[in-house]
Amino acid sequence: DGGITQSPKYLFRKEGQNVTLSCEQNLNHDAMYWYRQDPGQGLRLIYYSQIVNDFQKGDIAEGYSVSREKKESFPLTVTSAQKNPTAFYLCASSSSERETQYFGPGTRLLVL
Amino acid sequence: QKEVEQDPGPLSVPEGAIVSLNCTYSNSAFQYFMWYRQYSRKGPELLMYTYSSGNKEDGRFTAQVDKSSKYISLFIRDSQPSDSATYLCAMSMWSGGSNYKLTFGKGTLLTVNP
Repeated sequence: DGGITQSPKYLFRKEGQNVTLSCEQNLNHDAMYWYRQDPGQGLRLIYYSQIVNDFQKGDIAEGYSVSREKKESFPLTVTSAQKNPTAFYLCASSSSERETQYFGPGTRLLVL
Repeated sequence: QKEVEQDPGPLSVPEGAIVSLNCTYSNSAFQYFMWYRQYSRKGPELLMYTYSSGNKEDGRFTAQVDKSSKYISLFIRDSQPSDSATYLCAMSMWSGGSNYKLTFGKGTLLTVNP
């Protein structure tokens, strides 16, 4: 089945710890995105990547980092510099010929 | 003024009702319009996609775009309890190269009561 997978489903972060969220897609899409969703705030773009080995900051990139070493993978690291990391994180991808994005099931990050 | 405005609800209707969900936008550069449905604790799924003014129908769902008024709507006919979810409007515009930037509304929480 084609789709986007995210892992883990739930993640707990301790104070001062970096954590990495996984996103994999087998849709052969060129572009991948990371969003953060908070209650009452909608989706906000963290980072996006149009091609392998290239990525750009979104609207709220501070405290986050990404890499794009393979077309199908776009991991997101939430660093200790992100002071309010508790949120629902969504990964998405899109074909270069289409304007629509398709989402994974999400990872809920909680701070201990 | 926010780029995309969406009434967060919540909206509660009886089963079988016609539901109307709406978004307004301020940036005339938006070219493509989408509706996503998001069940609790799940990722959004694409429901409807349009790029021109007018109506697009898919089963019980109709998406309507009025570019002159900067207004989009999603109508759900014969609503079912399984339609209970948060509905997100989204709009995209070309932002260079092959990249399209999506801007989302905050979502409307819909509950359809049996």
